[in-house]
Amino acid sequence: QSVVTQPPSASGTPGQRVTISCSGSSSNIGTNYVYWYQQLPGTAPKLLIYRNNQRPAGVPDRFSGSKSGTSASLAIRGLRSEDETDYYCAAWDDSLSVWVFGGGTKLTVL
Amino acid sequence: EVQLVESGGGLVQPGGSLRLSCAASGFTFSDYAMSWVRQAPGKGLEWVSSSSGSGGSTYYADSVKGRFTISRDSSKNTLYLQMNSLRVEDTAVYYCAKQESVYARFDGFDIWGQGTMVTVSS
Repeated sequence: QSVVTQPPSASGTPGQRVTISCSGSSSNIGTNYVYWYQQLPGTAPKLLIYRNNQRPAGVPDRFSGSKSGTSASLAIRGLRSEDETDYYCAAWDDSLSVWVFGGGTKLTVL
Repeated sequence: EVQLVESGGGLVQPGGSLRLSCAASGFTFSDYAMSWVRQAPGKGLEWVSSSSGSGGSTYYADSVKGRFTISRDSSKNTLYLQMNSLRVEDTAVYYCAKQESVYARFDGFDIWGQGTMVTVSS
């Protein structure tokens, strides 16, 4: 099991707001930046959120990130069908000296 | 335009070796840490290894430590992953990723290559 934990699935209806959680510990999320990636089927991951809550150029402001203590969240408002895909969180772990990824969350738009 | 292009994947027998390459363009290669991240078929992302911008600091996942070696050649703007003693469980798409800064720790992956498939099978 991953050092950083995500729910395996999440869902919402078009237009709704959904959140995906990422739970870690003091040695990773509690201390370091959290990153979020979106991976469409058959493609490479794409950076969605960096340094906890920053959006790269070109990422819609429907996507937002937050962090509190040893947990982080990705929020998507105004859910759209094209948001249906896999999402991963990642952070550096000081104790293990490794990068850790969450197990990924498959988002379904109902 | 920042671009990463991986190559070197293929089919190899258990116990064999393979060297992956990642050709970088569109940025000053030595100013950024670089990493390899893999994804087994139908599974999630797994970090493999990272190298600081200078190459002086390297980090490895426990699953590959002692078998894989990350290196970089700034004269060729290329990142490498030498994979020895390959196991069936190393079968995955291997992605090359640029990091946000020269430091391999703390600052994450902002640009990813398209990936190269490595299959370890007899």
